[in-house]
Amino acid sequence: QSALTQPASVSGSPGQSITISCTGTSSDVGGYIYVSWYQHHPGKAPKLMFYDVSDRPSGVSNRFSASKSGNTASLTISGLQAEDEADYYCTSYTSSDTLVFGGGTKLTVL
Amino acid sequence: EVQVLESGGGLVQPGGSLRLSCAASGFTFSSYAMTWVRQAPGKGLEWVSSIKSSGTNTYHADSVKGRFTISRDNSKNTLYLQMNGLTAEDTAVYYCAKVVSTTCYLCAMDVWGQGTTVTVSS
Repeated sequence: QSALTQPASVSGSPGQSITISCTGTSSDVGGYIYVSWYQHHPGKAPKLMFYDVSDRPSGVSNRFSASKSGNTASLTISGLQAEDEADYYCTSYTSSDTLVFGGGTKLTVL
Repeated sequence: EVQVLESGGGLVQPGGSLRLSCAASGFTFSSYAMTWVRQAPGKGLEWVSSIKSSGTNTYHADSVKGRFTISRDNSKNTLYLQMNGLTAEDTAVYYCAKVVSTTCYLCAMDVWGQGTTVTVSS
């Protein structure tokens, strides 16, 4: 159950766009649609941002988008805002009938 | 309002046991799989355990297999996590979460609690 690979940190200025990658294998990210993304502000409950690769729950800003290509999923945030500063995690169902998280990416809005 | 509320955390000695509870409200609890996720201090989120809606199938991370048991009481709208043989590596905030759809089990989680803190220390 190796964690999915995410960059430890990314940063951007307000108004810019950033992309966070989430790399796994054909046994998890590449093999299933059950890839999801979460935003986590320290001390608060994580918030679901996308499920089934690119489905956005109601209430999530359309400045956020998600996709998948092969074994890598991606989360893109456009028009960065200060409130977007948080930790972001991807998850995926695995062929072992488990769930695996990415290591998390700290987004800093400069 | 759809919500889940964890309880039962606390300080426990290494080798000890603890049972976490998660009270659900605002949705048909018996229709959804449920999951426990934890976050150790300074670390990322880690999947711990999941259970299908009926309670007949359970899933555990290798790190807790054989020590932790997830269960549920659909008549009480409550999820549990029995934790035995605790070690310092189990120190974390434990979150209870509801999955997004009635048709999946190890999938996205759309409702999360605020977490309950478990500290394993002598």
